[in-house]
Amino acid sequence: NAGVTQTPKFQVLKTGQSMTLQCAQDMNHNSMYWYRQDPGMGLRLIYYSASEGTTDKGEVPNGYNVSRLNKREFSLRLESAAPSQTSVYFCASSPPGFTEAFFGQGTRLTVV
Amino acid sequence: TQLLEQSPQFLSIQEGENLTVYCNSSSVFSSLQWYRQEPGEGPVLLVTVVTGGEVKKLKRLTFQFGDARKDSSLHITAAQPGDTGLYLCAGAPGNQFYFGTGTSLTVIP
Repeated sequence: NAGVTQTPKFQVLKTGQSMTLQCAQDMNHNSMYWYRQDPGMGLRLIYYSASEGTTDKGEVPNGYNVSRLNKREFSLRLESAAPSQTSVYFCASSPPGFTEAFFGQGTRLTVV
Repeated sequence: TQLLEQSPQFLSIQEGENLTVYCNSSSVFSSLQWYRQEPGEGPVLLVTVVTGGEVKKLKRLTFQFGDARKDSSLHITAAQPGDTGLYLCAGAPGNQFYFGTGTSLTVIP
């Protein structure tokens, strides 16, 4: 039982480069989320998807786009990376009722 | 400002001491959750509190939900080095999870 799987685990980008962070869950959850984690800021919500085919902005969506490819997969794209996007990114999913958020292991992204 | 504010942000204590971490908001939540995160890992759920005034115990950890359902606390009795980690509160107003600013706890042997 893999739970939530994120790839890659580490990534270094140059300013202006683009990349897509991949996330897949095998728990048949409708809701999926992307967060970024910075020191002293906890987890901040970037985008979320309440169900397949829908996406909505969270607290810090600027500079990011998302795609809910199907019920299992929710990807996060940086079109033109900036140093301010250096962070640890977490994908999560939750069952109906928001009883618990299940997290992937994170992607540590550095933009130079 | 963030929806959920935690205090203190950092806490360093000796093994055996007691501590309390607070999670506060101006919003009312139907429930609040507490997570613990270790370095290099995602957060893992510790407990969910649902009823105003509710107290839940998990071994040496005691969680309380405020009567008005706007705040919560986590109390650890006789802290141990294994309690070291980042503690996060979370709530779901609407259909999204919001997390608190986090409390980084270090327990020194």
